[in-house]
Amino acid sequence: EAQVTQNPRYLITVTGKKLTVTCSQNMNHEYMSWYRQDPGLGLRQIYYSMNVEVTDKGDVPEGYKVSRKEKRNFPLILESPSPNQTSLYFCASSLGGSGPQYFGPGTRLLVL
Amino acid sequence: KNEVEQSPQNLTAQEGEFITINCSYSVGISALHWLQQHPGGGIVSLFMLSSGKKKHGRLIATINIQEKHSSLHITASHPRDSAVYICAVIFKAAGNKLTFGGGTRVLVKP
Repeated sequence: EAQVTQNPRYLITVTGKKLTVTCSQNMNHEYMSWYRQDPGLGLRQIYYSMNVEVTDKGDVPEGYKVSRKEKRNFPLILESPSPNQTSLYFCASSLGGSGPQYFGPGTRLLVL
Repeated sequence: KNEVEQSPQNLTAQEGEFITINCSYSVGISALHWLQQHPGGGIVSLFMLSSGKKKHGRLIATINIQEKHSSLHITASHPRDSAVYICAVIFKAAGNKLTFGGGTRVLVKP
């Protein structure tokens, strides 16, 4: 089954404790992206990647890191999480930059 | 400034009614997406447009490049269409970055 998976789905952590949210797709898509969704602010893009070893900033990259060492995986790293990074995070992939996007189920993060 | 605006923010319809959601953007784009977010939170891509019109079942999406405007129509609406509908664009001058509208919350009453 074609899908984008994210782990964990729910996470509660404390300020400053490094964490990684994994994202994996099985569709051989070149494009992968991370978004956050906040009440009143909607969806905003954090980082995206056009292919292996190619990443670019979205609208809200501060406080996040990404890496794309393999085509199927695109982890989101919070080196030192802060409460303002409490949000719902989505990973997505597509065949090309402007192709239909396939979204993961979301990861709900609470930073205390 | 690269902006995407949707209207209305909220919409309530009776089952069977025709629904239109609008999306306007500020400058030239290379692609426009319509997404649906279910009450449970999952997001599904409905359409990707760069010109013209697309239809899938009861959903129709149109785009007018000259007027910088797109519409999503739902014909014969049904309670299961209740969701948030989100417009997102890739501005030509912004690489492959995606910018989202604020979403339209649709409630279809039986």
